[in-house]
Amino acid sequence: EPEVTQTPSHQVTQMGQEVILRCVPISNHLYFYWYRQILGQKVEFLVSFYNNEISEKSEIFDDQFSVERPDGSNFTLKIRSTKLEDSAMYFCASSEQTGFNQPQHFGDGTRLSIL
Amino acid sequence: AQTVTQSQPEMSVQEAETVTLSCTYDTSESDYYLFWYKQPPSRQMILVIRQEAYKQQNATENRFSVNFQKAAKSFSLKISDSQLGDAAMYFCAYRSVEGGSEKLVFGKGTKLTVNP
Repeated sequence: EPEVTQTPSHQVTQMGQEVILRCVPISNHLYFYWYRQILGQKVEFLVSFYNNEISEKSEIFDDQFSVERPDGSNFTLKIRSTKLEDSAMYFCASSEQTGFNQPQHFGDGTRLSIL
Repeated sequence: AQTVTQSQPEMSVQEAETVTLSCTYDTSESDYYLFWYKQPPSRQMILVIRQEAYKQQNATENRFSVNFQKAAKSFSLKISDSQLGDAAMYFCAYRSVEGGSEKLVFGKGTKLTVNP
């Protein structure tokens, strides 16, 4: 069964550095998402992306964050000037369409550790 | 804004027994979707079961079923004949139908342990 894949599985970065988290959504999917989960807290929505533009974003997704689909397969989350509080698991998800019968499929996540 | 609450941080069940995981939510909307996701130690979240709010019939998927009480805003997950492979974090999630939002709103999760 096709899967969403995320790389790397664990990223360690110095505070203030930029980091790019990578995701390869399922190939025929058109909607892409990023979520994050700070240790011990809820999974939180960051952003959704469709047709090469952001369709929805949360208040967490400020100017520090950006998303891009640089080619036909990858979907990236860039975090500029990382802060200690950016340490979290970041999950990518994709769906074929929106709607009840088109659930979001999640990747394994990238654990981001900011030192 | 919608919120989802899972009041049981951890639960345990004996293999072959039945366990119920609780979820409540708060919303002013009349139509929405509810989901249970399972996250095994391998970390990938997998959809277990889903429910449309306007459908009164409770969803079932093999050993998994829900008890959806719309008036009480409750959406519990029942796992029958529990298996060792059911051990995981279980997340309840809400998705709005109105307004075109695609985001899932998650609860904090319940860690389920299955004892042999």
